[in-house]
Amino acid sequence: EVQLLESGGGLVQPGGSLRLSCAASGFTFSSSAMSWVRQTPGKGLEWVSTITDSGGRTYYADSVKGRFTISRDNSKSTLYLQMNSLRAEDTAVYYCAKTSHFQFWGQGTLVTVSS
Amino acid sequence: DVVMTQSPLSLPVTLGQPASISCRSSQSLVYSDGNTYLNWFQQRPGQSPRRLIYGVSNRDSGVPDRFSGSGSGTDFTLKIDRVEAEDVGVYYCMQGSHWPRTFGQGTKLEIK
Repeated sequence: EVQLLESGGGLVQPGGSLRLSCAASGFTFSSSAMSWVRQTPGKGLEWVSTITDSGGRTYYADSVKGRFTISRDNSKSTLYLQMNSLRAEDTAVYYCAKTSHFQFWGQGTLVTVSS
Repeated sequence: DVVMTQSPLSLPVTLGQPASISCRSSQSLVYSDGNTYLNWFQQRPGQSPRRLIYGVSNRDSGVPDRFSGSGSGTDFTLKIDRVEAEDVGVYYCMQGSHWPRTFGQGTKLEIK
């Protein structure tokens, strides 16, 4: 059974940083692209970033480019999202998802950016 | 960016009746490999999204066969043959043919 477990969310001040993690199990992590998708409270879904299976290529939404960095550790079956220079509009539930077509989703972790 | 436009945004349906959601893209979703990467997701209240349909019309494992997807190019449809109580939630289309990936606004299905 595929399982994706996000962690690392919380309350952070504007301009601050957070690192999200996503522990994966139930599939061959090193063979799968992985993504982050966020959902603002009461609103829709926004793709944030995708990384290829080897980590050799990364893709970002314009809204986070230059501030967020996606990475992975295939030896630990873990996906990361380093978020810097956080803004109020980054407040959302962040989901990790399997592949760039979001085949499976985690339960999400809430990031709140507020002073 | 490819804009995905869903209609209706609110869909009250009587139990046992059919439901249909339209999704239109601002550009063709036919990828250079000939495939069309249009997916549908369901988000039940309080839950994470779940993919129902990939590649326009392929049901994901465990998805009831009352759900079906169709369409081509820029025009797509999700149909539910007979709505059940467990189908309540928000449905999103999403295109995977272009970067950035983009979602529709969501269609809220409720029981009349």
